[in-house]
Amino acid sequence: KAGVTQTPRYLIKTRGQQVTLSCSPISGHRSVSWYQQTPGQGLQFLFEYFSETQRNKGNFPGRFSGRQFSNSRSEMNVSTLELGDSALYLCASSPLGQGGYGYTFGSGTRLTVV
Amino acid sequence: AQSVTQPDIHITVSEGASLELRCNYSYGATPYLFWYVQSPGQGLQLLLKYFSGDTLVQGIKGFEAEFKRSQSSFNLRKPSVHWSDAAEYFCAGALSGNTPLVFGKGTRLSVIA
Repeated sequence: KAGVTQTPRYLIKTRGQQVTLSCSPISGHRSVSWYQQTPGQGLQFLFEYFSETQRNKGNFPGRFSGRQFSNSRSEMNVSTLELGDSALYLCASSPLGQGGYGYTFGSGTRLTVV
Repeated sequence: AQSVTQPDIHITVSEGASLELRCNYSYGATPYLFWYVQSPGQGLQLLLKYFSGDTLVQGIKGFEAEFKRSQSSFNLRKPSVHWSDAAEYFCAGALSGNTPLVFGKGTRLSVIA
């Protein structure tokens, strides 16, 4: 059974650009959540999608957005990149609910903003 | 506010020694609790989880955790540490199945010979 797949693994972008990250959940998992991981702030919840609908959103500015497709694959987009957006972005999938049921995480996308 | 606290930023243990990583939670009700491990440059792997019932939970890789309501704690233990256990460990909680996980800041484990 394939795990959670995130692409690309590494990205380097320039301040002001935008970026799109992709996540393919485990087959049959309908919930996809996104987390930002930085050394200073740790793991912070961005948002969660279930059946193409955003169910929960963390405390991030509107520059961070996401969506989910009918096959449960999800993308997150960050517009007008700032240096502080440099982080490891982790995607996690769950069969039904969110974290309370336990996530399976992908390996992450390392975003560096220069 | 709901929170999970890991008091130790970094712990060093000798190979073969026992390990205990501390985790405290602050929730209005008993949360769902988890321990995850992260190797450098990788995602998080679930070690074990507690929903209800038996307060001693067994996980993968020889880890176990004990839920103590009176102390609001969910400490992770391993009787004998291997060099391959060196990694970052995260405790996390959620109020219910349909809420996001809230993570502690993590404890970095170093293992020396």
